[in-house]
Amino acid sequence: NAGVTQTPKFRILKIGQSMTLQCAQDMNHNYMYWYRQDPGMGLKLIYYSVGAGITDKGEVPNGYNVSRSTTEDFPLRLELAAPSQTSVYFCASSSSQAGEQFFGPGTRLTVL
Amino acid sequence: SQKIEQNSEALNIQEGKTATLTCNYTNYSPAYLQWYRQDPGRGPVFLLLIRENEKEKRKERLKVTFDTTLKQSLFHITASQPADSATYLCAPFQGAQKLVFGQGTRLTINP
Repeated sequence: NAGVTQTPKFRILKIGQSMTLQCAQDMNHNYMYWYRQDPGMGLKLIYYSVGAGITDKGEVPNGYNVSRSTTEDFPLRLELAAPSQTSVYFCASSSSQAGEQFFGPGTRLTVL
Repeated sequence: SQKIEQNSEALNIQEGKTATLTCNYTNYSPAYLQWYRQDPGRGPVFLLLIRENEKEKRKERLKVTFDTTLKQSLFHITASQPADSATYLCAPFQGAQKLVFGQGTRLTINP
């Protein structure tokens, strides 16, 4: 099992550019999450999904979009990147609402 | 609004002692709470889950307590080792499939 994988590991964007952060899991988990983590801060939930075709906003969804066409994949789209989106992005998955979350290695994004 | 506070940003402990980390929450009543460990440059790793009807949970050298009256969880590492040095995050369940993470406590165990 690869667990939760994320690509790319690092990325530098210019203001106004767009990109998609990829996330995939091979554990057949229904629940998937996107978080951002700013230096010295906890994780902030951006979007989450409880199954294929179902997504919902978290605490900080502005400037982001997601889709969940399959159980395995949960890409995060950034449109019109802004410096405030400079952060480390983590994807996670879980088999149940109450269960432990398995995290990917993260994507470090810098917007200049 | 819902708020989570973890005691001090950093904690330094002598090897072999017990490290105690605190997580306080306000304005809601989580049905359960999770603790995670995060090493620099890595994603968080799940350690323990404790439910509101459980006073205490243990796993090897780790112990978690959950006091719903005080709205507080304590996380203990006994016989601490330098390898326990990491940031520890508490995450009370908010409802609607969501955890809310505290800012973390950076623990350093000195040899």
